[in-house]
Amino acid sequence: EVQLVQSGAEVKKPGESLKISCKGSGYSFTSYWIGWVRQMPGKGLEWMGIIYPGDSDTRYSPSFQGQVTISADKSISTAYLQWSSLKASDTAMYYCARRGQQPPAFDIWGQGTMVTVSS
Amino acid sequence: SYVLTQPPSVSVAPGQTARITCGGNNIGSKSVHWYQQKPGQAPVLVVYDDSDRPSGIPERFSGSNSGNTATLTISRVEAGDEADYYCQVWDSSSDQGVVFGGGTKLTVL
Repeated sequence: EVQLVQSGAEVKKPGESLKISCKGSGYSFTSYWIGWVRQMPGKGLEWMGIIYPGDSDTRYSPSFQGQVTISADKSISTAYLQWSSLKASDTAMYYCARRGQQPPAFDIWGQGTMVTVSS
Repeated sequence: SYVLTQPPSVSVAPGQTARITCGGNNIGSKSVHWYQQKPGQAPVLVVYDDSDRPSGIPERFSGSNSGNTATLTISRVEAGDEADYYCQVWDSSSDQGVVFGGGTKLTVL
């Protein structure tokens, strides 16, 4: 079964760092782009960025450039999203999603990781 | 930057047809993908490349795209179709890359 499994919910304080993960299985992890999508409480989907695990080519949405870092470890079929200094406004659900080869839509989604940042 | 505009809400009675629009400048020249998100769940791809369905998606879901408007059509609406629906395109002409519409809440009356 093709799936993406994300790490569990996190509760952090402002200023703390965080790295969440997304592990792919059931397919060739290095052959598909993995995107990250933010969904703030009660709001819509926002694209954050995307990475190609095969060569770590990474693109960021202008809205998130410099705010987060996307990376991948192809040896363990895992993509990451990390923050160096969290803010309360980072409180949201974060999804990873696989971009299909044809069509290039997000055909497989992780279950989501809820990140809560509160003092 | 490229913007996709969706109505915030659409309401339809069971058994009727729901149409959810997605407006964008010359969107007809792009491939549009549609996602369904039920409360507490991750999004699911329901239509890709304007009008194709992934395996497992009912034939009741269809799409079209022309000019400045793409449309997701859900025929014979069921209570289980109540969800948020998002359109999405790839904007290769800018740094934006992926663009999502703001989402439409489909209410089944």
